[in-house]
Amino acid sequence: ETGVTQTPRHLVMGMTNKKSLKCEQHLGHNAMYWYKQSAKKPLELMFVYNFKEQTENNSVPSRFSPECPNSSHLFLHLHTLQPEDSALYLCASSQEDRAGGVEQFFGPGTRLTVL
Amino acid sequence: GESVGLHLPTLSVQEGDNSIINCAYSNSASDYFIWYKQESGKGPQFIIDIRSNMDKRQGQRVTVLLNKTVKHLSLQIAATQPGDSAVYFCAENMGNTNAGKSTFGDGTTLTVKP
Repeated sequence: ETGVTQTPRHLVMGMTNKKSLKCEQHLGHNAMYWYKQSAKKPLELMFVYNFKEQTENNSVPSRFSPECPNSSHLFLHLHTLQPEDSALYLCASSQEDRAGGVEQFFGPGTRLTVL
Repeated sequence: GESVGLHLPTLSVQEGDNSIINCAYSNSASDYFIWYKQESGKGPQFIIDIRSNMDKRQGQRVTVLLNKTVKHLSLQIAATQPGDSAVYFCAENMGNTNAGKSTFGDGTTLTVKP
């Protein structure tokens, strides 16, 4: 295991539902990320949190709302999603390295289907 | 002249053969590169990394080669095994920016035939 857990692993929701994805890292890292992985596309970075502060919002629609209450937990709140939002949502964490360059540790992802 | 390996979306190899997976990166200022492996139903997993002051780095059965002149990265897997079947991604990173933000390339699906 990578030390990053995500729940739920699978989620089916209607376009009018509100749901949340949860990510927890047990590695003591100071940065956490949300990615979207769609078929036939590279990983798309959505949000970055560093020391609980959001440092990146990669032009993500407002129907996705992240929350980082502490360095170990990251949420992605979902509301009024569209079918094209169906994808694998991956959470990752890393420990920023002053020398530059860090590997990221990924969770198993949440497979989201929007009906 | 030197040839640059072509990125292929899929690669099929025989068990025991060597595999070479290629990646072209986009940012000449990138100074840190990572290869990830993603097995079915799992998130990407770190395999090996290399910094821009190196051109080769070896791990256990894996070697990463970096050619900064043509912005090309390759992953070589020796004696490929069925457990190596997965999607492989390269990632480039400007290490002095924002918490290790990485840009991921298109993946290559490696299939190992027994």
